[in-house]
Amino acid sequence: DAGVTQSPTHLIKTRGQQVTLRCSPISGHKSVSWYQQVLGQGPQFIFQYYEKEERGRGNFPDRFSARQFPNYSSELNVNALLLGDSALYLCASSVLSLRSSYEQYFGPGTRLTVT
Amino acid sequence: AQSVTQLGSHVSVSEGALVLLRCNYSSSVPPYLFWYVQYPNQGLQLLLKYTSAATLVKGINGFEAEFKKSETSFHLTKPSAHMSDAAEYFCAVSDTSYGKLTFGQGTILTVHP
Repeated sequence: DAGVTQSPTHLIKTRGQQVTLRCSPISGHKSVSWYQQVLGQGPQFIFQYYEKEERGRGNFPDRFSARQFPNYSSELNVNALLLGDSALYLCASSVLSLRSSYEQYFGPGTRLTVT
Repeated sequence: AQSVTQLGSHVSVSEGALVLLRCNYSSSVPPYLFWYVQYPNQGLQLLLKYTSAATLVKGINGFEAEFKKSETSFHLTKPSAHMSDAAEYFCAVSDTSYGKLTFGQGTILTVHP
């Protein structure tokens, strides 16, 4: 079975531009979460979606938005890019059940560089 | 609010030596705890998880961790380090309402021949 896939792998953008990152969860997983990992730090939670509804949001500005589609894939959008948005963006999918202990499976990430 | 503290941003061991990576957590409810490993330029791979079934948890690649409630700790160990264990390790605690993970700062493990 395919794992979590993310596209693109790498991306270079200029300050002020907008970017869209994409994620496809593991088949059967209805929950997708997004994390930002700045170099040298642990991942920080941005959003979680379950059944196309936002279930949680981290401490990120409104420039960050996301959505989940009927096939459970997801997009993360970041507007008005700042240099500080340069990071590895990780997508994780989950069955999201107590029985699964909310175990999350991560994709390889999208490396965003803002110049 | 939940939090995780990993003591030691860098740990260096010799091949064959014991690996000990420290993690302390803060949580107002019984937590789910996880250890993930990240190899360079890759995503996170789950090593093991604690879900209250057993305090000593065995994971992949010979790693194990012990949950100690009195010490609010969940340290990761491996009896004998291998060169392939060199990577960055993250401890995380889960929000049980919808599974949001809060990560520690990470510990880079270096294994010397």
